[in-house]
Amino acid sequence: RKEVEQDPGPFNVPEGATVAFNCTYSNSASQSFFWYRQDCRKEPKLLMSVYSSGNEDGRFTAQLNRASQYISLLIRDSKLSDSATYLCVVNSEGTYKYIFGTGTRLKVLA
Amino acid sequence: GAGVSQSPRYKVAKRGQDVALRCDPISGHVSLFWYQQALGQGPEFLTYFQNEAQLDKSGLPSDRFFAERPEGSVSTLKIQRTQQEDSAVYLCASSFWGRTTEQYFGPGTRLTVT
Repeated sequence: RKEVEQDPGPFNVPEGATVAFNCTYSNSASQSFFWYRQDCRKEPKLLMSVYSSGNEDGRFTAQLNRASQYISLLIRDSKLSDSATYLCVVNSEGTYKYIFGTGTRLKVLA
Repeated sequence: GAGVSQSPRYKVAKRGQDVALRCDPISGHVSLFWYQQALGQGPEFLTYFQNEAQLDKSGLPSDRFFAERPEGSVSTLKIQRTQQEDSAVYLCASSFWGRTTEQYFGPGTRLTVT
């Protein structure tokens, strides 16, 4: 089993839709969680960190469920410019090793 | 300000050749990471530097891979006797400090081994 798993998609949604992605992790010692966005043939860029209490940044909401060992990303009012691959990233306490998921591809359609 | 830069952007190597990939992190960033990203996959951790110290090299796939950051700024990833399975994008990232700060990625070096 991979340490960090994501549904690769693609998720094809119309503009204005709400879409949610989940990411599961296997290491219960994981302490830091992030969502990165990667456009085609570009480098990953931080979208948001994920905090225990959940956090929101504009149209984006991230949640952490430690009991079930997953994090989620909710995108409201999808824009064409949201089309990208969303990478879930996990880091465990005491290590510098960041584990990336394979990414979930999102296509927002006009 | 300047971001993370990597060179070369593209490299074609014949099987068995040695290659050296360079990373210039953001000035003042203590942490530097190297990742390997195969097509359709997420980045895979290779190694981590804190200043000039290589604190974690657990992700290096074989002893053909070697990384250094001798003065705590520029880093080089060297791959000896390249194999076809080494074909990937090699990403470098830097961050100001520690494990919970944002990593800034360079554009990557696309390595193709023929």
